[in-house]
Amino acid sequence: DTAVSQTPKYLVTQMGNDKSIKCEQNLGHDTMYWYKQDSKKFLKIMFSYNNKELIINETVPNRFSPKSPDKAHLNLHINSLELGDSAVYFCASSPSTSYNEQFFGPGTRLTVL
Amino acid sequence: AQSVTQPDIHITVSEGASLELRCNYSYGATPYLFWYVQSPGQGLQLLLKYFSGDTLVQGIKGFEAEFKRSQSSFNLRKPSVHWSDAAEYFCAVGYTGGFKTIFGAGTRLFVKA
Repeated sequence: DTAVSQTPKYLVTQMGNDKSIKCEQNLGHDTMYWYKQDSKKFLKIMFSYNNKELIINETVPNRFSPKSPDKAHLNLHINSLELGDSAVYFCASSPSTSYNEQFFGPGTRLTVL
Repeated sequence: AQSVTQPDIHITVSEGASLELRCNYSYGATPYLFWYVQSPGQGLQLLLKYFSGDTLVQGIKGFEAEFKRSQSSFNLRKPSVHWSDAAEYFCAVGYTGGFKTIFGAGTRLFVKA
């Protein structure tokens, strides 16, 4: 049973396109996150939802829009993709607060051509 | 502001040798501290965590870490490294009342035969 799953695993697309990445967790956690990991492995928080409510919204271009239809799902939609959006995007979940460990998905490698 | 510093971008150790990865944090109160490991092409996995109590914590895969408040450090150690330990290691800090976990830049571990 996969705890945190993401689809797709790889995404190759052209500049200017719109794409979505989906995330699902079956751990019963209240909090979910999106991270961006660049080519130097630096991990940056983008968004977090707690019980479907947005609680963290870092300095991210508004081309990125998260959506949480329910506690178990957190999707990331990206409009007008740019070369600089190429990265690995990780979804994670945790029970509720920051002092609980986070469980990470396998990542989605996005390549913008 | 809270921050996490991992001074070593990469470290190379021989198989069977001991390992210490350094982590320093900046936070006024008692932090919640984590070490995660990321194998190539994988998501992050928790190795160990410190919330309170005994300052020496044991984790999975034979890892341990020691919290030293006076030095604001939480260094990761392993007495004998195996080739399968080659990976990226992230130190992270959470704090009371916050949902955000702050990750260090990571240390890449290379293991030579």
